[in-house]
Amino acid sequence: ETGVTQTPRHLVMGMTNKKSLKCEQHLGHNAMYWYKQSAKKPLELMFVYNFKEQTENNSVPSRFSPECPNSSHLFLHLHTLQPEDSALYLCASSQGVGSSRRNEKLFFGSGTQLSVL
Amino acid sequence: DQQVKQNSPSLSVQEGRISILNCDYTNSMFDYFLWYKKYPAEGPTFLISISSIKDKNEDGRFTVFLNKSAKHLSLHIVPSQPGDSAVYFCAASAFPDKLIFGTGTRLQVFP
Repeated sequence: ETGVTQTPRHLVMGMTNKKSLKCEQHLGHNAMYWYKQSAKKPLELMFVYNFKEQTENNSVPSRFSPECPNSSHLFLHLHTLQPEDSALYLCASSQGVGSSRRNEKLFFGSGTQLSVL
Repeated sequence: DQQVKQNSPSLSVQEGRISILNCDYTNSMFDYFLWYKKYPAEGPTFLISISSIKDKNEDGRFTVFLNKSAKHLSLHIVPSQPGDSAVYFCAASAFPDKLIFGTGTRLQVFP
């Protein structure tokens, strides 16, 4: 399989549940990202991992917990979410943070549509 | 405050005509701009980019124009095709900072 794969595609969870989103990239990239897309809002960067190290946490609430065990896999652990967290969560990868401008060229997965009840 | 703005949430164009999608930005430090295209139920895909040292970049039917003095860029699609119907996101960055995205413009190309 090629590209960036996200599972599950859809997720419905209650506010007391714990769930995880999974992302896998098959592009040999070194940087991985979590983005949130809410209706009528710009894509919001949540987390950045570069060579498995978290390099950015964009003031994301602690109920979202990322994990990057290696350069190919990225998880987003969810617990005690709020209804306003309902959104499309997109994973992306890129060559890797460094001196090249190629890093802005992101490859996105299809996203997980999350509904919090 | 949004640094990258796409003021038209939607655009409808007849097949074969030109589609022009606009994007305005406020941060004069932005020096790299990209357009992404998103179909329903899919993630955004990279379409075309332009560096601030250029004012035009062309790739087939897609051309991006950059007007630095006006802090404005536009994406031209000529000729428009029904398969171009999608949401188009403008994004900008000031290296090595993160990409800042606009809210998107939904393009519909009708026969």
